[in-house]
Amino acid sequence: DAGVIQSPRHEVTEMGQEVTLRCKPISGHDYLFWYRQTMMRGLELLIYFNNNVPIDDSGMPEDRFSAKMPNASFSTLKIQPSEPRDSAVYFCASSMDRPTDTQYFGPGTRLTVL
Amino acid sequence: ELKVEQNPLFLSMQEGKNYTIYCNYSTTSDRLYWYRQDPGKSLESLFVLLSNGAVKQEGRLMASLDTKARLSTLHITAAVHDLSATYFCAAAHLYNQFYFGTGTSLTVIP
Repeated sequence: DAGVIQSPRHEVTEMGQEVTLRCKPISGHDYLFWYRQTMMRGLELLIYFNNNVPIDDSGMPEDRFSAKMPNASFSTLKIQPSEPRDSAVYFCASSMDRPTDTQYFGPGTRLTVL
Repeated sequence: ELKVEQNPLFLSMQEGKNYTIYCNYSTTSDRLYWYRQDPGKSLESLFVLLSNGAVKQEGRLMASLDTKARLSTLHITAAVHDLSATYFCAAAHLYNQFYFGTGTSLTVIP
């Protein structure tokens, strides 16, 4: 299996622009997670899905952030409008049967908002 | 909310030495994970500990779990440069999410 796939790997944008991050989980995994990692705040869980349904989005920082999972093999995290403080590495992870099973992380998207 | 604390946050050690990273968590947890992250890279799962007294070993790394003390340790034996990375522990309660620690940045000096 190719593992969790994320795109783009790097994104540089200007403040106010819309940013869309993409993730393809490991096939057969029921759970998908979006994390954000910064030096200041460490690793934060933003939202997670079970069988394409959002279960907990309490970590989404603001209404500017939204996430969707239209099918079992694709998810997006959108930031609109983007701000410099959104600059971070965004990771997608997936797990098989339970949210507490081993989570397999994608390579991450490094977002820079100027 | 389950809180997870790691110490030390930064660790610089000489090659060949032994050291331990500690991971404390605040409430009942059914399982404890250790992950490794190389600079600029993703997180890689190292160990999962599922019960009190569980011990897992891989090469120079050994992880253990004491659920009564709510403590997990990651012991490094005879450190080598290749072990330089950031190590995260994560506690989880059944049917709930992971809670990650702050990470321990390990640098092994020749």
